[in-house]
Amino acid sequence: AQSVAQPEDQVNVAEGNPLTVKCTYSVSGNPYLFWYVQYPNRGLQFLLKYITGDNLVKGSYGFEAEFNKSQTSFHLKKPSALVSDSALYFCAVRDYQADTGRRALTFGSGTRLQVQP
Amino acid sequence: EAQVTQNPRYLITVTGKKLTVTCSQNMNHEYMSWYRQDPGLGLRQIYYSMNVEVTDKGDVPEGYKVSRKEKRNFPLILESPSPNQTSLYFCASSRGPSGSTEAFFGQGTRLTVV
Repeated sequence: AQSVAQPEDQVNVAEGNPLTVKCTYSVSGNPYLFWYVQYPNRGLQFLLKYITGDNLVKGSYGFEAEFNKSQTSFHLKKPSALVSDSALYFCAVRDYQADTGRRALTFGSGTRLQVQP
Repeated sequence: EAQVTQNPRYLITVTGKKLTVTCSQNMNHEYMSWYRQDPGLGLRQIYYSMNVEVTDKGDVPEGYKVSRKEKRNFPLILESPSPNQTSLYFCASSRGPSGSTEAFFGQGTRLTVV
């Protein structure tokens, strides 16, 4: 089965500084990778995805992610953090089970980003 | 506005009392899923549906049922809830199979079983 790992439960960064939220993956075949954000009392919102193409993927709200095949990583980045970026961030990978045809999103455990004014 | 609507948002119930959490989407999506979110575990898929009358088990289906009689609706049924089903539940829909296209999530239902 495919899996993703988010090694940090929480990331703290000062407003205006660059931020990185880490994600590593373990898949067989080509990975389909996603980042979602969850604001308090809200559902998850799609930020960006990597399926193929450029290793640097640009997404919503100024976020981007870098796909690194050799390091099996898909870190989320933003050049200048905002207080409003404080939220819970989930990395996810497509999990395809050939025997059943099932496709599912497998999520990491989440990283809470806290941006201090 | 494209959206996935879940009801209720909050629910406290007692062990064994049947309940249904409704989910409706207005995007004409074929694919719908239910997830539960628990601290430190991320989201885990309970059930999914690829189209009307087509449903299948996800990673943690025990104790849950679903139905898909109409394209827009995908209710989650707990026939006999137990305290270990206390969790935050999300419904999601997508144009394509899970993990192939962007998924849209409802706002969540926080369920407490006492």
